[in-house]
Amino acid sequence: EAEVAQSPRYKITEKSQAVAFWCDPISGHATLYWYRQILGQGPELLVQFQDESVVDDSQLPKDRFSAERLKGVDSTLKIQPAELGDSAMYLCASSYSPLLSYEQYFGPGTRLTVT
Amino acid sequence: KQEVTQIPAALSVPEGENLVLNCSFTDSAIYNLQWFRQDPGKGLTSLLLIQSSQREQTSGRLNASLDKSSGRSTLYIAASQPGDSATYLCAVRPDAGGTSYGKLTFGQGTILTVHP
Repeated sequence: EAEVAQSPRYKITEKSQAVAFWCDPISGHATLYWYRQILGQGPELLVQFQDESVVDDSQLPKDRFSAERLKGVDSTLKIQPAELGDSAMYLCASSYSPLLSYEQYFGPGTRLTVT
Repeated sequence: KQEVTQIPAALSVPEGENLVLNCSFTDSAIYNLQWFRQDPGKGLTSLLLIQSSQREQTSGRLNASLDKSSGRSTLYIAASQPGDSATYLCAVRPDAGGTSYGKLTFGQGTILTVHP
């Protein structure tokens, strides 16, 4: 069964360092989402891609976060510099289409700890 | 702005008990509602998806209902087992076009513990 892949699974970094997360969606899925989940809360959308284009990054802290999906397949989310408040689970999801009827499938997540 | 609330925040029950988890949302203009399960430190697994035109969905021991007009959904788990212990999240999808059409809004989750 096809799955969304994410790496690394766990990352510990010091404050002010740069960190990057990688996501490989299910093959053929044109829409890719990055969510952030703070401990004890539900996930919140950071950025949504349709192919290689960003269609929603309204909740992305653009002063320190960046996301790209250069060839419309896999994606990288970067934080520079990391802050203590960035400690969270970063979840990637993909769907065949952005249309409402298509379900989002989630990856295992990357747990980030900033010290 | 859509807000999703889940009650209770945590629930502990003995094995075999039937239980209900609650989810409420402030904007009834939704396309669908989805229930997810999340094991500690893991990603999300979809359990049930209810379209706005539906009243309920069933999968094995799980039954989810939706009352769109009142902004409520419940997840019923029959004959609970220790393996059901996890965090349960509900999420809604807006019934509108534009750039927000894919955006799921999540509740904060209910932490369920089923003890033997």
